[in-house]
Parts: sequence; C-alpha cells; structure tokens
Amino acid sequence: GQQVMQIPQYQHVQEGEDFTTYCNSSTTLSNIQWYKQRPGGHPVFLIQLVKSGEVKKQKRLTFQFGEAKKNSSLHITATQTTDVGTYFCAGNYGGSQGNLIFGKGTKLSVKP
Amino acid sequence: KAGVTQTPRYLIKTRGQQVTLSCSPISGHRSVSWYQQTPGQGLQFLFEYFSETQRNKGNFPGRFSGRQFSNSRSEMNVSTLELGDSALYLCASSIGTGYNEQFFGPGTRLTVL
Repeated sequence: GQQVMQIPQYQHVQEGEDFTTYCNSSTTLSNIQWYKQRPGGHPVFLIQLVKSGEVKKQKRLTFQFGEAKKNSSLHITATQTTDVGTYFCAGNYGGSQGNLIFGKGTKLSVKP
Repeated sequence: KAGVTQTPRYLIKTRGQQVTLSCSPISGHRSVSWYQQTPGQGLQFLFEYFSETQRNKGNFPGRFSGRQFSNSRSEMNVSTLELGDSALYLCASSIGTGYNEQFFGPGTRLTVL
C-alpha cells in the first residue's frame, strides 16, 4: 500500500546546528503537509506544499517538495531549544483528506 | 475561536470492554478525521467523516467504528477492546475534505488492561 518513509527517526543536535528531515514516497503525491508535535502535545500544522519543486520558508524553516512530487524535506537553520519535538510529514495521494499518510516522524532533541 | 476538544482525556478499560470517544471540531469545520498514535506504528488514519458521511476508512478492524452528527461532532467506538488498542486517539478537524490543513485535538489516552 501507499507508504511515506521518513528519516532519520531521531536526531540529536547542539543548539545552533542545522537539522534536516526527509520524506519519501514510492508513488506521486498530490501534496504534502508537515506537522510538529511537541512532547506531550498534539500535532500542529506547519505547512502544505502542492507544486512540483516548491520551496517555502518560515523564518528558520525551509520546506521543499521534489520535482517528481515523491519526496520532501524540512530544514531548520540554527536550531533552538524551542525546536524540540517530533516532525511529521503527511502525504496526500489525492482526493479526500482520508488519503493522508503520515511518516513515522523525526524526533529532534536540541542540547543547549 | 475554540480549538478541537476531545473527551475524555484519559481512559482506562479492561480487555473485552467497549469505549466511546468524543470529538468536537472547530466551529465551522465539517470534516473530522480520527487517528491512532502509538510509539511503534506512529500516526495511523482510522476514518474521516464529512457531513455525517464516512468518506474514507483506514486499515483497521471492524471493531473500530465512528459516526458524525449534524453539528459535526464525532464519536468513535471501539468494541471488544484488546491490549494492543492502548494508544493516543487523536481527532482532527478541517474546513472541508481534500487539501485542507488539519487541526488536531489534545487526544484521548486509552489504556487497556
């Protein structure tokens, strides 16, 4: 079935270092969404990418959608302790939101 | 605007029992989706309701069911609970169905003993 692979599973960084998480699908996505879940919290929507090759920025966060719409990445520049949490990508294969398939997430820890 | 609310927040049940979880979406949101979150399997889609109709269903056994009311509030039911059903159950609402961002509730932590 449809599956979204996300790596790495865990990432430990020193505050100020950069961080990147990658998502990959074996089939073409209609769009991809990114969510962040703080420890003990619930997923919070960050962004949605729809177009092939799309790049969007939110302050220190840069999101990319691959040309083939099969992969995506989230890059955080100069991490801060407030960036701690698990980052999920969620692939939409078209049609209803019900086709939203979440990656397993990348858990980011930041050492001050 | 109030966020998505879920009740109860915590629940302890024993094997074989059944449970009903409730979700109230953000006002004006007509789509409600349910997810199961476990450390091993991550976030897994259960089902989505839009205008009282189930639009999509994930790969879960028939013991998992849901419904949506005319005010968009939704309930999910799990019958004949198993130990493996212990999880965080998250409800998410969105304006419509399709490409909309989802707003998650705080979840219901279900423990099956």
